[in-house]
Amino acid sequence: DARVTQTPRHKVTEMGQEVTMRCQPILGHNTVFWYRQTMMQGLELLAYFRNRAPLDDSGMPKDRFSAEMPDATLATLKIQPSEPRDSAVYFCASAMGTEQETQYFGPGTRLLVL
Amino acid sequence: GENVEQHPSTLSVQEGDSAVIKCTYSDSASNYFPWYKQELGKRPQLIIDIRSNVGEKKDQRIAVTLNKTAKHFSLHITETQPEDSAVYFCAASPFTGGGNKLTFGTGTQLKVEL
Repeated sequence: DARVTQTPRHKVTEMGQEVTMRCQPILGHNTVFWYRQTMMQGLELLAYFRNRAPLDDSGMPKDRFSAEMPDATLATLKIQPSEPRDSAVYFCASAMGTEQETQYFGPGTRLLVL
Repeated sequence: GENVEQHPSTLSVQEGDSAVIKCTYSDSASNYFPWYKQELGKRPQLIIDIRSNVGEKKDQRIAVTLNKTAKHFSLHITETQPEDSAVYFCAASPFTGGGNKLTFGTGTQLKVEL
């Protein structure tokens, strides 16, 4: 049963520190999405990639957030410097890449910035 | 961009009763409408989806209906069971040619009481 994996599962850090979250998409999936979930804003799309190229990162604060896909098996989301308002659950999802294809979510990284 | 509204935000039903969750969307170009179920502390998981070329789709106790003219779609759960208790999210996506950029509703907390 192939699944999206994410590390770390939990992260507590202090304001101003750098945070890096990692995602391994399902093997063979070429589209990767990063979402942020908070009580106030719900599920928001931050960025997504196809074949490792960024397609849309309009949902991501560019001054402190960056997303990359160093290779087909790894996606990263970095926050530098982190702020308390970044506290949320960050989900990665992957899909086959055809239109109207199911997105499979990872378990999420629960981030708390103090 | 797309805007998805979801109602109600909370729904409490007795075991065995039916539950209905409704969503409206704004972008007439949207043509893919998935529903995700998220249990507490877990990842969102797809339970059913519908594409714009059909009006209704069923999978055992779950059904989804779509009215493209009115731009709304609904999730129907019959014979509810305690394990149906979770948060349900609707979403909508246009045919972009670049992957499914999903816009999510704000979620419905469903509680099935014994």
